[in-house]
Amino acid sequence: DQQVKQNSPSLSVQEGRISILNCDYTNSMFDYFLWYKKYPAEGPTFLISISSIKDKNEDGRFTVFLNKSAKHLSLHIVPSQPGDSAVYFCAATWGNEKLTFGTGTRLTIIP
Amino acid sequence: GAVVSQHPSWVICKSGTSVKIECRSLDFQATTMFWYRQFPKQSLMLMATSNEGSKATYEQGVEKDKFLINHASLTLSTLTVTSAHPEDSSFYICSARTFGTGRQYFGPGTRLTVT
Repeated sequence: DQQVKQNSPSLSVQEGRISILNCDYTNSMFDYFLWYKKYPAEGPTFLISISSIKDKNEDGRFTVFLNKSAKHLSLHIVPSQPGDSAVYFCAATWGNEKLTFGTGTRLTIIP
Repeated sequence: GAVVSQHPSWVICKSGTSVKIECRSLDFQATTMFWYRQFPKQSLMLMATSNEGSKATYEQGVEKDKFLINHASLTLSTLTVTSAHPEDSSFYICSARTFGTGRQYFGPGTRLTVT
């Protein structure tokens, strides 16, 4: 039962353009969502998060949008840079309990 | 701040032996630590949650007698893979969290190869 889904396993974006990564969830109890970036053979690093009481959170080049009615969130990276090439995981939690991760999207930024 | 380390970063062991992986929070006290496993090109799968001073809570399907977790202090948790088999070969990642926050800080991971 995959409660958090990232339906695009991979995405290629031209450098300087916007990268949009999508994530859907099924559990309406989730109240906190996070995005992590991961390089091969390394642990995930935290990027940005959003609480369910908000619909947008912005941090530099990264913006996360949350649509609770659609149970959908997205991560926007603009402008995309070569160093952004990595696997991105969205994760969800509720009640400060364990994280449930999506399956990841491999982002490749084309110079 | 919020640095989590793991040791070793890479280990090869023979089938039937046991391997211990350490997870340390270097600059904060981790009331809760989590152990994940990641297979190639797959998501991170939570194995167990451990709170300092108490027994770990294992996810369904994870053998607690095979994957021994000890969280003896607020800065250290260990995962011991007992009687390792080739199918235990994987990338093991720990994370740590301070009480009252939802954010987890991840270690760099440990690559285990069982021959």
